[in-house]
Amino acid sequence: QKEVEQNSGPLSVPEGAIASLNCTYSDRGSQSFFWYRQYSGKSPELIMFIYSNGDKEDGRFTAQLNKASQYVSLLIRDSQPSDSATYLCAVYPSDSNYQLIWGAGTKLIIKP
Amino acid sequence: DTGVSQDPRHKITKRGQNVTFRCDPISEHNRLYWYRQTLGQGPEFLTYFQNEAQLEKSRLLSDRFSAERPKGSFSTLEIQRTEQGDSAMYLCASSTGETQYFGPGTRLLVL
Repeated sequence: QKEVEQNSGPLSVPEGAIASLNCTYSDRGSQSFFWYRQYSGKSPELIMFIYSNGDKEDGRFTAQLNKASQYVSLLIRDSQPSDSATYLCAVYPSDSNYQLIWGAGTKLIIKP
Repeated sequence: DTGVSQDPRHKITKRGQNVTFRCDPISEHNRLYWYRQTLGQGPEFLTYFQNEAQLEKSRLLSDRFSAERPKGSFSTLEIQRTEQGDSAMYLCASSTGETQYFGPGTRLLVL
């Protein structure tokens, strides 16, 4: 059974601080990793994707991938109240390039 | 580019009725996906189309669910004889490659 695990939270972070969200996956052969943000009652919105080991930065967001340890993380710098949402991690398994395996999401709360 | 659209946005129906949802993907996206999401869970894969061909259907999906994508453009998802357990958000996504973009979803409530 291929799985993606996330801490459900809630993760509470003060405004202006760095929020760190983590995700682990079971399929060692996975190659593509995605972070989506989902506001309550809305649909998932793509934040970032990462394919290679290391860091990938986009504005206030940094995705980090460590394939040897099978985890991917998302850092949000200078957290804003508008970042309060559920963050979903999604991974393509080694045997599919269309059926994403999803974590249940981490609820992030940014406190003013 | 107008993004993925879904219709209706909300649907309330009585148990035993049939419902149909529509998804219009981003133009020129040849891949289309349907998901179901319940509270506190990630999206659950239902089915996948490449152009007009339905290439994968979740084994968890009962025969009451059917999807079509005629001519490789919009897609419809039909649920026959709805049950209370079908209450969920139904999400459609489209892509040209691996990165999937979601529509706003259709929220279904079965009474």
